[in-house]
Amino acid sequence: DSGVTQTPKHLITATGQRVTLRCSPRSGDLSVYWYQQSLDQGLQFLIQYYNGEERAKGNILERFSAQQFPDLHSELNLSSLELGDSALYFCASSVQGPLETDTQYFGPGTRLTVL
Amino acid sequence: QKEVEQDPGPLSVPEGAIVSLNCTYSNSAFQYFMWYRQYSRKGPELLMYTYSSGNKEDGRFTAQVDKSSKYISLFIRDSQPSDSATYLCAMSVVRPSGTSYGKLTFGQGTILTVHP
Repeated sequence: DSGVTQTPKHLITATGQRVTLRCSPRSGDLSVYWYQQSLDQGLQFLIQYYNGEERAKGNILERFSAQQFPDLHSELNLSSLELGDSALYFCASSVQGPLETDTQYFGPGTRLTVL
Repeated sequence: QKEVEQDPGPLSVPEGAIVSLNCTYSNSAFQYFMWYRQYSRKGPELLMYTYSSGNKEDGRFTAQVDKSSKYISLFIRDSQPSDSATYLCAMSVVRPSGTSYGKLTFGQGTILTVHP
């Protein structure tokens, strides 16, 4: 158990809908990362938050957005869902202290199926 | 062309075999190298990390980095059925201080099956 929790485990929804995925980082970790894993693209970085602020953006669609709250949990919002958004979504967290090796610990993932 | 290319496999080996998993990369800014293991329907789990060229050993696992060739490998000795999983190489850039930060760029993963 990495200490990172994600809810829900599974989500089945229809095209055009909106969903919210939730992540709680390990205790003490300030940084949260979101990744998408699909069969054709592999594991791809979407976005990073550090202590409530957006730190870096990757291949994140405009239909997707995220935020990190004062208690450091994070939510990934996916809207106008398409069939191609079906994937595993992972959250990872790290301390990201300036002098530390920044190991990212991954949660168990949310499996999203868009029908 | 992807920044990180990983031998796709799948690999199927008998118990006790030595396994070699490989990745190449094109971005010379990558200085921090990791191997993650992912069991079916689970999140990736960090196995090993290294900054330096050369070998790093941890039990039955050895990570090898050749920065001049932009090539990394993971060797598994005396492989066990419990090693059956998908292995992902990952890389990131580093701060001027030498510590890693930021997003990880992953290879596609290699599915390994170890038969009893």
